Order: sequence, then C-alpha cells, then structure tokens
Amino acid sequence: QKEVEQNSGPLSVPEGAIASLNCTYSDRGSQSFFWYRQYSGKSPELIMSIYSNGDKEDGRFTAQLNKASQYVSLLIRDSQPSDSATYLCAVIGLGQGGSEKLVFGKGTKLTVNP
Amino acid sequence: GAGVSQSPSNKVTEKGKDVELRCDPISGHTALYWYRQSLGQGLEFLIYFQGNSAPDKSGLPSDRFSAERTGGSVSTLTIQRTQQEDSAVYLCASSRSGISGNTIYFGEGSWLTVV
Repeated sequence: QKEVEQNSGPLSVPEGAIASLNCTYSDRGSQSFFWYRQYSGKSPELIMSIYSNGDKEDGRFTAQLNKASQYVSLLIRDSQPSDSATYLCAVIGLGQGGSEKLVFGKGTKLTVNP
Repeated sequence: GAGVSQSPSNKVTEKGKDVELRCDPISGHTALYWYRQSLGQGLEFLIYFQGNSAPDKSGLPSDRFSAERTGGSVSTLTIQRTQQEDSAVYLCASSRSGISGNTIYFGEGSWLTVV
C-alpha cells in the first residue's frame, strides 16, 4: 500500500466553482500534513499545512483533516484559472535513524476553465 | 543566497556517462533533501543531510547514485553510468533544521535527460 494516495485526475472545474482535492495516508501515527502546489515545469511551493483534526482556512483555501479516517483534503473556493496546477499532498514520515522526511502523493492535476 | 539554487538547470547526457548535480541551499539551513520526480509522478525521496552527515539515504535507488555535502552547505548528487530510467527532474530542498516546525524550500530542479 502506497503511503500517500491521491486521485491523479485530471480534475476540471469551471471558474468560480469549488475544487475539492483528496488525499489518504497509511501511517496512522502521522501528525503533520501539507499541501503543495506545483505549476508545470516549476518547483513545488507550500500552500497549506495542517496538524489538528478539523478545518484550517487561509483565504480561498481550506484544508480539512480527519485522522480517524486518515484523510486530508484541500478545498479551493472561487477557483481561478491561475489555480490550474498539480496539487501534491505530503505527510511527514519516519526515515532511517529516526529522521523525518516528507512523503508525497503523486499529485492531482487541476484545471480551472474560464 | 535568497533561495535554493540548483545547477545545471538542464542536462542531456548519453547513456553510460556520469553526471553531477549541484545544490546550494539557503544560507544557514542545516537540513538538505534530494528528491526525484519522473514525468507525471510525485516526488520520490532520495537522501537527507543534516549538516554534512546523511542519516537517511534509504531512497537512493541503486549504488550508481551517491551524494555528498561539504561545509554544511553545497551538496552534489552524482549518478554514475546513467540509464534512460534516470531521466527525471532532480529537486533539492532545504530547511532551517529538519521538517517539523520548519518550512521546506525547493529549488527549481535539474532536468536530466539520458539519451
């Protein structure tokens, strides 16, 4: 079982709609979760982090975490064409020697149509 | 520097040749990570440095891959006897110290094509 799973998409929504991106993870002990946005040909950039169950809002973005279901989601309200990108879900996992590493899903490609 | 700097930005090499990819992290960042991203795939962890030490090199896919970091700053990822399946974007990231409680900053990547 992959550690972090996302629907690869593509997900297509009209401008102004809500885009919903979902992610599940396998390690029940995970505590920290991140959403990165990656434009085509560019490096990932952090847009949201969430550590506690419930919702966390930042502008048009809302991250939702449900640790019991091992599920984290990202909602983008009033989607804009500039939101068109691949969204990567990441979880802190344990590496060798007790070190931490970010474990990424494959990403969901979002297209917002004008 | 202002951000994580990687070079070369693009590299085309012939199968069987060796390549070196360089990463210059943000000044003062002790943690440095290498990831690989193949076309249409997520980021695959390769190796983690804390200072000059690599406590986790579990993601290196074969013994053709090696990395080092000197002076707690610049890191070099070396791929020997490159294969076509090594074609990918190699991303370097750094943080002030580890992951928890810190923001990870990514470089723009080195695009490697093996022909």
